[in-house]
Amino acid sequence: AQSVTQLGSHVSVSEGALVLLRCNYSSSVPPYLFWYVQYPNQGLQLLLKYTSAATLVKGINGFEAEFKKSETSFHLTKPSAHMSDAAEYFCAVGFSGGYNKLIFGAGTRLAVHP
Amino acid sequence: DSGVTQTPKHLITATGQRVTLRCSPRSGDLSVYWYQQSLDQGLQFLIQYYNGEERAKGNILERFSAQQFPDLHSELNLSSLELGDSALYFCASTDRANGYTFGSGTRLTVV
Repeated sequence: AQSVTQLGSHVSVSEGALVLLRCNYSSSVPPYLFWYVQYPNQGLQLLLKYTSAATLVKGINGFEAEFKKSETSFHLTKPSAHMSDAAEYFCAVGFSGGYNKLIFGAGTRLAVHP
Repeated sequence: DSGVTQTPKHLITATGQRVTLRCSPRSGDLSVYWYQQSLDQGLQFLIQYYNGEERAKGNILERFSAQQFPDLHSELNLSSLELGDSALYFCASTDRANGYTFGSGTRLTVV
């Protein structure tokens, strides 16, 4: 069975600081991994996805994530936080090319303060 | 605009009632997925349709049903509504190039 655990339901950083949002997955087959962002009262926007190519994946808005099989992790990072990054972030795992259901983590709410 | 259209954006209804949520997938996408986002359950997969056929089922209640029509739009029917059904309902579609694309959701409030 597949599952996703996001460590930390709330993360707070200062503007300009490193953003690190943690995601660990469990999968019995090679996973496809995704990070989505949700701004208030909006839908889910894809930040980046891992599909078994390069282990370091670059996404939109300066975010990137590294797939580490040995640690079953897919943490999301951004070198310098911006106020506009404040949102909820979801890690998700899929399989079969990512064209079946996605299993989402519980989400991490990122707050960015001046 | 993601290309996936959901209507209505907001819906307020009373307990015991029935509602229909509509989703139009991105042009050319054959798969449609429905997800429920609630405070206590998070984001849960409900059901998937592919070219009119049910492909996969998740944590969908028996009071809920869905279908996909020949023009590929999909409807999610929720009946005998309870307060706990209040949630954001998302639709998504997929293609090989872009993967998953989500609509902006329908916020259902049951009072």
